[in-house]
Amino acid sequence: EAGVTQSPRYAVLQEGQAVSFWCDPISGHDTLYWYQQPRDQGPQLLVYFRDEAVIDNSQLPSDRFSAVRPKGTNSTLKIQSAKQGDTATYLCASSLGTGDEQYFGPGTRLTVL
Amino acid sequence: GDSVTQTEGLVTLTEGLPVMLNCTYQTIYSNPFLFWYVQHLNESPRLLLKSFTDNKRTEHQGFHATLHKSSSSFHLQKSSAQLSDSALYYCAYMGYKLTFGTGTSLLVDP
Repeated sequence: EAGVTQSPRYAVLQEGQAVSFWCDPISGHDTLYWYQQPRDQGPQLLVYFRDEAVIDNSQLPSDRFSAVRPKGTNSTLKIQSAKQGDTATYLCASSLGTGDEQYFGPGTRLTVL
Repeated sequence: GDSVTQTEGLVTLTEGLPVMLNCTYQTIYSNPFLFWYVQHLNESPRLLLKSFTDNKRTEHQGFHATLHKSSSSFHLQKSSAQLSDSALYYCAYMGYKLTFGTGTSLLVDP
């Protein structure tokens, strides 16, 4: 069974540029999560979906970040105007249902110069 | 709100010695679900252990932990550390979302 896949694996931007991250969860998993993991810190939840619906996006900086999961499968996380403080690894995870074990993808390591 | 505390930022020990990484939590929920995740260098977090049963030991890959609701603790232990155990260990609590602790870096020396 394929795991969670993410692309790109790395991104380097100048401040003010936009970037999109893509995530393909494990087939059959209805819940998908996006985490931000700054260097030397634990993952911090940004947003999560059950199917195509956003369940919690309270930690997503809504002025610059957006996330969608239009068909309840793949998901895209977008940063509209990146800041140096956005430098982190962005992890996607999926689970069979909310509260079940989460499986993490390899992450996208973002550097904003 | 919910929180998870890992008191040690770095634990360094010699191969063969026992491992104990501390984890305590705070929550309003009476039935917490606790996890330990391990993250090796340049890899993503991977589930190591999980438990929601009070006073029941759970084991995996030589590691074990017991959820103690009376002390709100879920400490991770292993009887004999191996070099390959060197990694970041995160304790996490599932309330309405998965909340991670700050992590403990375990460094095992030969």
